[in-house]
Amino acid sequence: AQSVAQPEDQVNVAEGNPLTVKCTYSVSGNPYLFWYVQYPNRGLQFLLKYITGDNLVKGSYGFEAEFNKSQTSFHLKKPSALVSDSALYFCAVRDGGLTGGGNKLTFGTGTQLKVEL
Amino acid sequence: DADVTQTPRNRITKTGKRIMLECSQTKGHDRMYWYRQDPGLGLRLIYYSFDVKDINKGEISDGYSVSRQAQAKFSLSLESAIPNQTALYFCATSDYGSGSGRFDEQFFGPGTRLTVL
Repeated sequence: AQSVAQPEDQVNVAEGNPLTVKCTYSVSGNPYLFWYVQYPNRGLQFLLKYITGDNLVKGSYGFEAEFNKSQTSFHLKKPSALVSDSALYFCAVRDGGLTGGGNKLTFGTGTQLKVEL
Repeated sequence: DADVTQTPRNRITKTGKRIMLECSQTKGHDRMYWYRQDPGLGLRLIYYSFDVKDINKGEISDGYSVSRQAQAKFSLSLESAIPNQTALYFCATSDYGSGSGRFDEQFFGPGTRLTVL
């Protein structure tokens, strides 16, 4: 079975400082990893994904994520946080070795990011 | 994402009532999903459909049923609503084909907030 862990319910950071939102995963095969963001009263929006290749993935709004296979992690990062980045962030994983009925995403429980002035 | 719409956006109902939540998409995707979101639990998959003739249970399908009326429409029903089905419900779609579409990047609707009294 595949799973995702987001160990922090909330992350607080000052505007202009770097931010990191942590994610670790577990899959049997190769991981396909995703980050989504949810703003208040909105659906989830795709930020970025890792399928293969370069371990540093760049996505929307200046976000990036680093895939670390040995630590089974896919942490979301941004060099300089903005107040407008405040939202709920979800990590998700799919086992790249599965097809058909196994071709589903598993989401983490979410991390609330709060960026303050 | 305006390409995925959900109706109603908010619904308050009573225990024992039958409720239908509707989802429509204009993205031309074959795959559609229903999730529920609860605080601290993230998103959990209720049902998913890989095409009009393919419907599958997710991790929490008990008490729910679905209908895939067309490629663009996927409805979720609560046959007899109960209070612990109070949640935020999301519909999502994804493509399957060549290129990045086969990696299950999902596109979410704005959500339906359901309250069962």
